[in-house]
Amino acid sequence: IAGITQAPTSQILAAGRRMTLRCTQDMRHNAMYWYRQDLGLGLRLIHYSNTAGTTGKGEVPDGYSVSRANTDDFPLTLASAVPSQTSVYFCASSAVAASADTQYFGPGTRLTVL
Amino acid sequence: GQNIDQPTEMTATEGAIVQINCTYQTSGFNGLFWYQQHAGEAPTFLSYNVLDGLEEKGRFSSFLSRSKGYSYLLLKELQMKDSASYLCAVSDSNYQLIWGAGTKLIIKP
Repeated sequence: IAGITQAPTSQILAAGRRMTLRCTQDMRHNAMYWYRQDLGLGLRLIHYSNTAGTTGKGEVPDGYSVSRANTDDFPLTLASAVPSQTSVYFCASSAVAASADTQYFGPGTRLTVL
Repeated sequence: GQNIDQPTEMTATEGAIVQINCTYQTSGFNGLFWYQQHAGEAPTFLSYNVLDGLEEKGRFSSFLSRSKGYSYLLLKELQMKDSASYLCAVSDSNYQLIWGAGTKLIIKP
């Protein structure tokens, strides 16, 4: 089934630990995005990638890093997790970058940092 | 700053009609999206408006007025499965989506 997969589904993490959230899409979309969703706030863009080999910073990039080695994968890394990074993380993709193209979302990763 | 406003919560009755409003102030405008998000699930695309007017898609319609910075999502013949959050998002001058906090719609029998 075509779409976006994320792993893990949920995770409880001790503060200070390193964590990588995985995202894979099989739609051959050029652009990929990482958002966090917190209660009472809209989705906030963390990082994005318009094409393999390029990445950019979104609204809330501090404490996170990404890489885009190929078209399909876009992992998000928390180098040293802090409690304020407790959130639901969504990966998304769109066929066309730098355009108002529809974004399609993965099922999300629920992360708790203690 | 950039801002998207929508009501936090609305309640409606099964079979009725409900209108969810969204107002926006953004740096540039390249279209407005509506997404539906059921509790614990991912947002899914409902509609996209870039020109003024009404776009109808089955039971759902979306309206845009660029001069007023205003959109609404109209849901007709409400069903219990329509209970969800509805997210309004604007594509800004850099084609980044600016999201509202979402409107939680509660449907009562």
